Amino acid sequence: AQSVAQPEDQVNVAEGNPLTVKCTYSVSGNPYLFWYVQYPNRGLQFLLKYITGDNLVKGSYGFEAEFNKSQTSFHLKKPSALVSDSALYFCAVRDRGGGGADGLTFGKGTHLIIQP
Amino acid sequence: DVKVTQSSRYLVKRTGEKVFLECVQDMDHENMFWYRQDPGLGLRLIYFSYDVKMKEKGDIPEGYSVSREKKERFSLILESASTNQTSMYLCASSPSYNEQFFGPGTRLTVL
Repeated sequence: AQSVAQPEDQVNVAEGNPLTVKCTYSVSGNPYLFWYVQYPNRGLQFLLKYITGDNLVKGSYGFEAEFNKSQTSFHLKKPSALVSDSALYFCAVRDRGGGGADGLTFGKGTHLIIQP
Repeated sequence: DVKVTQSSRYLVKRTGEKVFLECVQDMDHENMFWYRQDPGLGLRLIYFSYDVKMKEKGDIPEGYSVSREKKERFSLILESASTNQTSMYLCASSPSYNEQFFGPGTRLTVL
């Protein structure tokens, strides 16, 4: 079984400061890892993914995430937060060893609030 | 760009009604998914399909069924809607082993 934990329901950051949204995962094999963002009353938008290779992954809107196998983490980061980054962020995992087209397992989401 | 569309953004139904939620994708993806999203619970997988006429149960299939008669269309059916099925429903599609692309969601209210 696979699972994802986002330990913070809400993260508050001042505009211009660096931000981190935390994610840890559990899979039996090797993971595919994803970050999505959701703006109010909208569907989820893909931000970035880790499949294999470089542990630092760069994605949309200046976001990046670092895969840490020993800590089973995939934290989302941005060097300088914008007010427009305020949204709901979801981490998701899929076991690379899983067959077929299994759905992703999502965390419960973290509300990111950027204060002007 | 991949486009996933859902038939309604907002829907209000009465308890006991049969409800159809439609999802269409235009990128010839093999895989399609239905999730429901509830505050504090994140997204939970209801059903998915990896081919036409194929379907697999997700984590919470009870009270739901699905239909995939054509590759681009994946329907979610609530046979007899209940108030605990009030939720945001999200459809997604993906090519194999890759990120999923989501529709805008349907906010369903069952009275």
